[in-house]
Parts: sequence; C-alpha cells; structure tokens
Amino acid sequence: GAGVSQSPSNKVTEKGKDVELRCDPISGHTALYWYRQRLGQGLEFLIYFQGNSAPDKSGLPSDRFSAERTGGSVSTLTIQRTQQEDSAVYLCASSVEGTGGEQYFGPGTRLTVT
Amino acid sequence: RKEVEQDPGPFNVPEGATVAFNCTYSNSASQSFFWYRQDCRKEPKLLMSVYSSGNEDGRFTAQLNRASQYISLLIRDSKLSDSATYLCVVIGGPGYALNFGKGTSLLVTP
Repeated sequence: GAGVSQSPSNKVTEKGKDVELRCDPISGHTALYWYRQRLGQGLEFLIYFQGNSAPDKSGLPSDRFSAERTGGSVSTLTIQRTQQEDSAVYLCASSVEGTGGEQYFGPGTRLTVT
Repeated sequence: RKEVEQDPGPFNVPEGATVAFNCTYSNSASQSFFWYRQDCRKEPKLLMSVYSSGNEDGRFTAQLNRASQYISLLIRDSKLSDSATYLCVVIGGPGYALNFGKGTSLLVTP
C-alpha cells in the first residue's frame, strides 16, 4: 500500500518568508509525528498528533513553528519568518495507535533557508 | 546530557566481519527500545525492536541491559548492503515520540 508521503520534496526559501510543509500519513494510522534532522545531526522530535486529542507541541523550538492535522489525516507544518537555522530535513512519520516504535517515515522535505 | 548517546563512528569493516554498536540512554524509565537504519539521504526505517531477553533476526542480534541503560546491536557476516547509519531509538517522550541517537555510521568494504 501507499506509504507516508510528504511535499514538497525540496524547498528553498528566503530568510523571513513563511513555508508550509505537508504530510499525508498511511491510511488508518491515527498517530502522526513531525521530526527535524539538521545536517549531520540526529532526529529531533517536534510535535505529535494522536486521533482527536490535543497535539503535544513540546518539541517545537519556537513560536514560529506550528502544525495542524485536519480530519485526522493530512498534516501541515508551518514555519513563519524562516531563519537560516531552520534549514533541515523535516520528516513526518505515522503509526497505528499503540504500536509504539514502529513508525513509518516519509521521505522528508529538505528545507533550505537562504 | 543527551537522552540517547551513540559512538558516531564511522566503522569501516570488510565484508564478512562482525561489528557491534553500542548505545546508552539516560532515562531509566524508558520502556521501549529500537534500532532503526537510515541510508544516505533517505528516511529512517525500523530494523528491529530490542527486547529485555535479547533478540535475533538473521545476522542481527540486539541486546538490552536495563541496569546499565545500555543497548547493543551485533551484525554478523557483514554485507556491502549493510552500509548505512544505525540509529539507536528510545521511547521516552510523549505518546511514543521517539528519542533518536545521532547514529553510528557503518561502511562495509569489499
């Protein structure tokens, strides 16, 4: 079946602009996660959605970052007033509720802020 | 101190060699542990879960030492296709969010 998809695959933006990154999770997966991976670094947790519960935003690095998940499916991560340090690969993952570590990752969006 | 720490490597080994990776975690309340594999410029993929009793999947063996807060991955009879970054992952965040180590890079050479 279809895996997790993300768009765009690459995004180059100027410092100060807003960007939106999209994630389509695997159908039927109720949990959705956003992570960030800077060059040469490990993955950092950003935000987590589970069903209709309020998202856990504890990993968001600043109030310039926000995310939504509409209808329990598609999610959008928005970064306002982008900074150069926001340059990274943004990875989305989904999992069936309760399966814990078996998360399925999308291919990521490579964001470059110039 | 990072929650999950790994030796970044790189580990350069010849085909057929046995190689072991180690990982330590700081949260003693962590309950679930995994090894993920990440190929260059690709997304991470689950390699195997790590169980308290230790577990094996073909050439791969994972072990957990809760007392020492230590996880290991052993790869026997290395193949060229094993070349990748191996990520130690611990569940310690909210709702199954994963805490990733920075990864250990493995290069298997002919």
